[in-house]
This record gives sequence, structure tokens and C-alpha cells, in this order.
Amino acid sequence: SQTIHQWPATLVQPVGSPLSLECTVEGTSNPNLYWYRQAAGRGLQLLFYSVGIGQISSEVPQNLSASRPQDRQFILSSKKLLLSDSGFYLCAWSVRLNTGELFFGEGSRLTVL
Amino acid sequence: DAKTTQPNSMESNEEEPVHLPCNHSTISGTDYIHWYRQLPSQGPEYVIHGLTSNVNNRMASLAIAEDRKSSTLILHRATLRDAAVYYCIHPRGGADGLTFGKGTHLIIQP
Repeated sequence: SQTIHQWPATLVQPVGSPLSLECTVEGTSNPNLYWYRQAAGRGLQLLFYSVGIGQISSEVPQNLSASRPQDRQFILSSKKLLLSDSGFYLCAWSVRLNTGELFFGEGSRLTVL
Repeated sequence: DAKTTQPNSMESNEEEPVHLPCNHSTISGTDYIHWYRQLPSQGPEYVIHGLTSNVNNRMASLAIAEDRKSSTLILHRATLRDAAVYYCIHPRGGADGLTFGKGTHLIIQP
């Protein structure tokens, strides 16, 4: 069966520090991969998606970046965190989106101080 | 994703049916309608999806209007564990992700 894991689960970082969140999927090949962010009391915002290794599409401009070095690995990074980067970050995967299901990881809660 | 409209919140009693409405007046003929729910501090969880016909699964039923401009998620017998934010979405074709609005915050009273 397919599983998705992301880490770390929680982290507290100072403003200006770097960030790296990692997500891996097991049990499937060539998944579509996504990073979402949910600020406190807000809906989920799609940040990045990827349809293959090295292929990244950004939905919103920001100081975050994403990379997909392997088929089932998706990384969210920042060189210098802002206060506004605080939130609940979720990785997700799908096979076919319009007719299928989107599977989410456990989430990573980031607090920038 | 095109816009959907849902009530901000709804309240129901335990063991009673719940009907969660969603308007999607700009839906195209090939867009599926998806429903997800999100419990506190968790990622969204898939509930159900459909195209034209009503759909049933172990979690819920989805009733789709004949003109497809609205749909209703039906929880046949709500439990306290069904308290969550419910999202109605109809994605564009392709892989470019689902956009989640604010959804409906469902409150279940014991």
C-alpha cells in the first residue's frame, strides 16, 4: 500500500534562518507531488506541484522553493524565513487528480519567531 | 480551480443526518466534484467524488444536481468524530493541484 511521510512534524525557527521540509512517498511510481500551506484560521494554499523529477511549478510568488531530486521525494526550502512563513505545511500526492484522490501527509507545523 | 460556495459553518446533533451544500455554478462538463474533510491539526482526508450520478461509499453519499451546478454531501448518521471542516472542490483537468477554500466548519452536538 502507498504511504506518505513528511518531517519534521514541528519546528521553531528564528527569522532569517533556513528551512528544509522533506516528504517521501512509498508504494507508487511517478506520483504527482504537492506542497500546501495553511496559515492559522485560513484555507489551504497550494504552493508547488511536480509531475516528475526536476519538474516544479509554483502557484504563488514567495521566498520558498521546492525541489524533486528523486521520483518519490519532494523538498520544501527557504534560504531566509520570514514571520509570514509560519503555518502548517502539508505534502500530498496523487496519481490522477481530476478523477482520483489526493493523499496528504501528517503535516509540519512551522513557527517563525 | 474554479470557485465553489459553501456555508461557513453548520451545526447538527449526533446520530442525525447532515446535509452539507455546495454551489459550483461555473463547473464544466468534465470537472469532477470532490469532497474532503480536515480534522484539527491533520491534513485533509478524501471523502468522496463524483461526476454526474449520485455516489455512495462507506463514509458518505454525494448527491449531484441534474444541472451539476450544486451538490450535497450527506452524512447519514453524524458522530462526534465527523466534526471537521468540509471542503467542496472541482479541479481543473491535469495535475495542477486542488485549491481548497475555507470550507464548512461542521459542529456536532452530543
